[in-house]
Amino acid sequence: AQTVTQSQPEMSVQEAETVTLSCTYDTSESDYYLFWYKQPPSRQMILVIRQEAYKQQNATENRFSVNFQKAAKSFSLKISDSQLGDAAMYFCARGGSQGNLIFGKGTKLSVKP
Amino acid sequence: EAGVAQSPRYKIIEKRQSVAFWCNPISGHATLYWYQQILGQGPKLLIQFQNNGVVDDSQLPKDRFSAERLKGVDSTLKIQPAKLEDSAVYLCASSLGGWGVGEKLFFGSGTQLSVL
Repeated sequence: AQTVTQSQPEMSVQEAETVTLSCTYDTSESDYYLFWYKQPPSRQMILVIRQEAYKQQNATENRFSVNFQKAAKSFSLKISDSQLGDAAMYFCARGGSQGNLIFGKGTKLSVKP
Repeated sequence: EAGVAQSPRYKIIEKRQSVAFWCNPISGHATLYWYQQILGQGPKLLIQFQNNGVVDDSQLPKDRFSAERLKGVDSTLKIQPAKLEDSAVYLCASSLGGWGVGEKLFFGSGTQLSVL
């Protein structure tokens, strides 16, 4: 089975500090996309960042960046200058061949003031 | 731009009853997805439509779940009869294009179903 694994059920970070969420995945595809989604208590999944496996440069969106290691099939999310509003569930996902998403089990991020 | 709309937000039913969820995707989005998210897990795809045709329903429990997308716009997901293990959040999502690696999915706020 082609899976996505998030090994950290919960993480905690101090406000203004940096935190890294881990993700590994399995795929037999040569070209694919990876995603991080945020799910606050409102339940709506919000796209944080997207990475195309074909591109070597790591994606960045403001305070969010990824460390993409294709050979290791690793895709971690770094949140810099953490804010109280960053507290949420974070899901790593791999894009399927038909556009759907295959999600990991998620990491619950807490931000301490 | 309006987002993906879902209703109801919450639903509580007894086992063996039926229930229906409604989703209206972002205007112009060709592809619509229904995901099931059980507590403590990531969302799992139930069914994917492109326009009004089914792309993937391999994980839909067809003995009790059904879904339709009439006229290629809004969609309804039905469960009949419901079981205790159907308690979950049902998320609807849409994307602009057709099939494609790398599509950005936009999600609604989901329907939280409790089966007693």
